[in-house]
Amino acid sequence: KAGVTQTPRYLIKTRGQQVTLSCSPISGHRSVSWYQQTPGQGLQFLFEYFSETQRNKGNFPGRFSGRQFSNSRSEMNVSTLELGDSALYLCASTQWGRTDTQYFGPGTRLTVL
Amino acid sequence: AQSVTQPDIHITVSEGASLELRCNYSYGATPYLFWYVQSPGQGLQLLLKYFSGDTLVQGIKGFEAEFKRSQSSFNLRKPSVHWSDAAEYFCAVGLYSGGGADGLTFGKGTHLIIQP
Repeated sequence: KAGVTQTPRYLIKTRGQQVTLSCSPISGHRSVSWYQQTPGQGLQFLFEYFSETQRNKGNFPGRFSGRQFSNSRSEMNVSTLELGDSALYLCASTQWGRTDTQYFGPGTRLTVL
Repeated sequence: AQSVTQPDIHITVSEGASLELRCNYSYGATPYLFWYVQSPGQGLQLLLKYFSGDTLVQGIKGFEAEFKRSQSSFNLRKPSVHWSDAAEYFCAVGLYSGGGADGLTFGKGTHLIIQP
């Protein structure tokens, strides 16, 4: 099976812009989670989607949002970008999102100038 | 809220020597525990996981971890490291409520350096 794929792999944006990142889970996986990784804060959970519904959410401002499509692909959007949003954004998929293992994609490196 | 502590930010080990990476968690119940490895520019790869049962868990690449409830620890071990083991290692705790995955809580990571 193909692994989790994320596009694009690299992005450069300027403050105030918005950005959309995409994640395609492993075939058959219905749960997609998003994480932000920064040198200062480490890996932090953003949100999780299952069957097109957001089931859980981490402690991030409303500028961070996401959605999931009927084919389980997910997108996350960050509006009004700030310098502090520069990070590696990782997507992980699981079959059901409970005790299943989360399989991570390679990430999207976002740089905000 | 649960938390994960990896006390060692950096560890340097000679190739062929044994390795132990420490992980302590704080949570009221027995969480689900994971070790992931991340190579530069890459995503996270699962090494092993503990959900229940035998407290000694075997993983990929010759790694193992032992869950010790009394110490709230889940240390990662490998009897003989290889240069290719140089990477960032993350311990993580999962909390799975009835509704689904609440997201993994990660430690800050341990950077493993292998000396020739």
